[in-house]
Amino acid sequence: DAKTTQPNSMESNEEEPVHLPCNHSTISGTDYIHWYRQLPSQGPEYVIHGLTSNVNNRMASLAIAEDRKSSTLILHRATLRDAAVYYCIRMNNNAGNMLTFGGGTRLMVKP
Amino acid sequence: DSGVTQTPKHLITATGQRVTLRCSPRSGDLSVYWYQQSLDQGLQFLIQYYNGEERAKGNILERFSAQQFPDLHSELNLSSLELGDSALYFCASNKWGGTGELFFGEGSRLTVL
Repeated sequence: DAKTTQPNSMESNEEEPVHLPCNHSTISGTDYIHWYRQLPSQGPEYVIHGLTSNVNNRMASLAIAEDRKSSTLILHRATLRDAAVYYCIRMNNNAGNMLTFGGGTRLMVKP
Repeated sequence: DSGVTQTPKHLITATGQRVTLRCSPRSGDLSVYWYQQSLDQGLQFLIQYYNGEERAKGNILERFSAQQFPDLHSELNLSSLELGDSALYFCASNKWGGTGELFFGEGSRLTVL
C-alpha cells in the first residue's frame, strides 16, 4: 500500500513548467515526502524530499500543502530529458526508512 | 553514475535454478536496500541491511535471501526460480539508513525461462 495517489500520466511542452501533483491524505507527522524519478532503462533517481516546508534544489521545487495532505513537484522548465516516471513516496523513518513506491506519473515532454 | 555497482547486468536462467546478484554500495555508505521491479507489481521493497545487519524486511519470498558482508557489499540469492521471478532487481545505498536520498544502481535484469 503506497498510500500516495498520483495521476497515471501527464504531458508537457518542452521549456514549460510542469506541476506534478501527489495526494497523501493519510500522512503522519513523521512521514517525509520523497520524489524519485525513473528514466527509461535506468534505476530510480532521487529528485527532492521534504517534511513540512517547501524545498528547492537544482533539479526541482517541492511545494507541500499546509495540512501536508498533498504536495506538488515543480519542474521549472521541462526538457526532453525530464521524460520519466515520477514517484511520490511517503518515507516513514520509524519503519526502517524503506521507500514504498506506488504507480507513479509518467511524464511525457513534447518538443 | 550513482556510484552503486550491480552485477551482472543481465542474467538468463531456467526455472528451478539458483542465482546470486551482487551489489557494491557507494563508497562510505553503510546501508543497502534491495528492490524488485516487475511489470505487474512495480517497484517492491525486498530487504534492507545496515552495516552487516538486517534492518527491515519487505515482500521478500522465503526462496530469496540476502546478506551484507564486512566490506559492505551485498548479495541477493534467488533460489528455486520461477517464471514470475523474472524482473529487474535494484540495489540502493545510503550512508546511515536515515531519511536522506537513496542512490540506486542500474539494476540486474533476470530472465527465467
